Amino acid sequence: EAGVTQSPTHLIKTRGQQATLRCSPISGHTSVYWYQQALGLGLQFLLWYDEGEERNRGNFPPRFSGRQFPNYSSELNVNALELEDSALYLCASSFPGSGFGANVLTFGAGSRLTVL
Amino acid sequence: RKEVEQDPGPFNVPEGATVAFNCTYSNSASQSFFWYRQDCRKEPKLLMSVYSSGNEDGRFTAQLNRASQYISLLIRDSKLSDSATYLCVVNTRSGTYKYIFGTGTRLKVLA
Repeated sequence: EAGVTQSPTHLIKTRGQQATLRCSPISGHTSVYWYQQALGLGLQFLLWYDEGEERNRGNFPPRFSGRQFPNYSSELNVNALELEDSALYLCASSFPGSGFGANVLTFGAGSRLTVL
Repeated sequence: RKEVEQDPGPFNVPEGATVAFNCTYSNSASQSFFWYRQDCRKEPKLLMSVYSSGNEDGRFTAQLNRASQYISLLIRDSKLSDSATYLCVVNTRSGTYKYIFGTGTRLKVLA
């Protein structure tokens, strides 16, 4: 079974540009979470999508946005890039319910964004 | 006060040692708890879920203390390969699911 896949692996942009990151969840997972991890820091919650809708949002400015598609894949868009947006962006997926493995996050390998 | 707090370490221990990490959380409505392991510049990977009665998986034991609002991870017979950052994760469902990650505790197992 394929895991959570993210693309691109690495992305280099300059200040003011836009970045788009993509995530494909594990088959059968309907929830997608996005986290930002700056170098040496912890994971900061960005966004949660479930069944195509945004369910929760972290303390990030509106230039961080995203969406979830009918096939449950998701993209994260970061507009007007700033130097401090340089980080590892991690996507995780989960499936709802009460059975074994439900509501447990499985992460992709991440997309490393560098803003110059 | 942070929602989830961990001692950042590093904990430097010799091979074969037993080491324990604690993690405190502030929201008494928190419902589920996990320990993840993260290797340098890699994604976090689930180590184990933490159940109310405590649970064990090989050399790893996790405990939950709801009254004091902390979870713990005990690693016995440490291996060099256990060197990593251990992340405490708390899931609070107050309307919507919200997974909060601690900043992690670094463990270095020394030969």
